[in-house]
Amino acid sequence: EVQLVESGGGLVQPGRSLKLSCAASGFTFSNYGMAWVCQAPTKGLEWVASISTGGGNTYYRDSVKGRFTISRDNAKNTLYLQMDSLRSEDTATYYCASLYDGTYYYWGQGVMVTVSS
Amino acid sequence: NIVLTQSPATLSVTPGESVSLSCRASQSISTSIHWYQQKSNESPRLLIKYASQSISGIPSRFSGSGSGTDFTLSINRVESEDFSIYYCQQSYSSLFTFGSGTKLEIK
Repeated sequence: EVQLVESGGGLVQPGRSLKLSCAASGFTFSNYGMAWVCQAPTKGLEWVASISTGGGNTYYRDSVKGRFTISRDNAKNTLYLQMDSLRSEDTATYYCASLYDGTYYYWGQGVMVTVSS
Repeated sequence: NIVLTQSPATLSVTPGESVSLSCRASQSISTSIHWYQQKSNESPRLLIKYASQSISGIPSRFSGSGSGTDFTLSINRVESEDFSIYYCQQSYSSLFTFGSGTKLEIK
């Protein structure tokens, strides 16, 4: 059974950092591109960042460039999102998802990040 | 950047009706459009890929069509479990972005 389990969320003050993790199992993690997608309360889905199978290519939405870093450890079957200089508008549920054939094929259950003083 | 515009924002229907949801791209994207369903407090799930290709495990009442800039997700005879939010997503560019969603609600 495929599982993507996010962790690392919580309440953080503006300007501080947080690191999300996504543990993958049930599929060959190293064969899939991966992504983070966020959803602010009562809002729609927004792509945040993506990473290629080997980690050599990364992509970010404009609003997080220079603040967020996506990375992966294929030996540990884990995806990461380092979030620095957090802002109130980063408050959202963050999902990790596997990329397959152009789609977000498998999704985690999501982890909540709240940026507030 | 490719912008996806979904309409209507909200669609109110009676169970048993058939509906069509629209997704329009800001430029031609061939058939690189995919559809997701998100029920309340759940993660999204993939319904249709590449405009019209079915996904294993998804009921046959869901179908998709379109190419270029205009795409449609159709639900034949809506059931109670279908009331949720539907998103389109493009993979024509390397930035896999979403539309703003259409909420399907009970009339």
